[in-house]
Amino acid sequence: DAGVIQSPRHEVTEMGQEVTLRCKPISGHNSLFWYRQTMMRGLELLIYFNNNVPIDDSGMPEDRFSAKMPNASFSTLKIQPSEPRDSAVYFCASSLDSSTDTQYFGPGTRLTVL
Amino acid sequence: AQSVTQPDIHITVSEGASLELRCNYSYGATPYLFWYVQSPGQGLQLLLKYFSGDTLVQGIKGFEAEFKRSQSSFNLRKPSVHWSDAAEYFCAVGAGRGFKTIFGAGTRLFVKA
Repeated sequence: DAGVIQSPRHEVTEMGQEVTLRCKPISGHNSLFWYRQTMMRGLELLIYFNNNVPIDDSGMPEDRFSAKMPNASFSTLKIQPSEPRDSAVYFCASSLDSSTDTQYFGPGTRLTVL
Repeated sequence: AQSVTQPDIHITVSEGASLELRCNYSYGATPYLFWYVQSPGQGLQLLLKYFSGDTLVQGIKGFEAEFKRSQSSFNLRKPSVHWSDAAEYFCAVGAGRGFKTIFGAGTRLFVKA
């Protein structure tokens, strides 16, 4: 069974450009999470969906960041416009039902904003 | 609000030696506790979790952890470390359904031959 799928695996873009990261959760999982990992700040939860509805977006840094989950099998995280300080590894994770179920992480997208 | 502290940023142990990684949490009730491992260039993988019951929890790859309510701790142990255990280890605490899980800052494990 495929795990969490993220694309692209690597993204290099220039400051000011729009970036879209994609995630396909494990089939049958009802919760989806977007995390950002940096050396300075560690692993940060950006947003958490349950049954396609955003439950907690308090970790979204600012209005430049937006996330959607149009259906149970797809989510996007968009940064517009991107800035160099957004450079990080972005992980998507899914769990069966709630945030206290085991979370299964994707391989991550390494974003570099020049 | 719940929080989790991993006091050690990095630890170095010799291959074959025992390992203990520390984790302290703050939460008013019995928390949901997790240990995840992250190998270089990969996402996190669950090692073990504790919700209730036996306070000594067995996980994958020969790891175990013990929940000590009196010390608010959930330390991870392994009796004999292998070179392949070199990775970053994250302790996490959850407050229950509807609440987000909080991850610690991580402890990077180095294994020397």
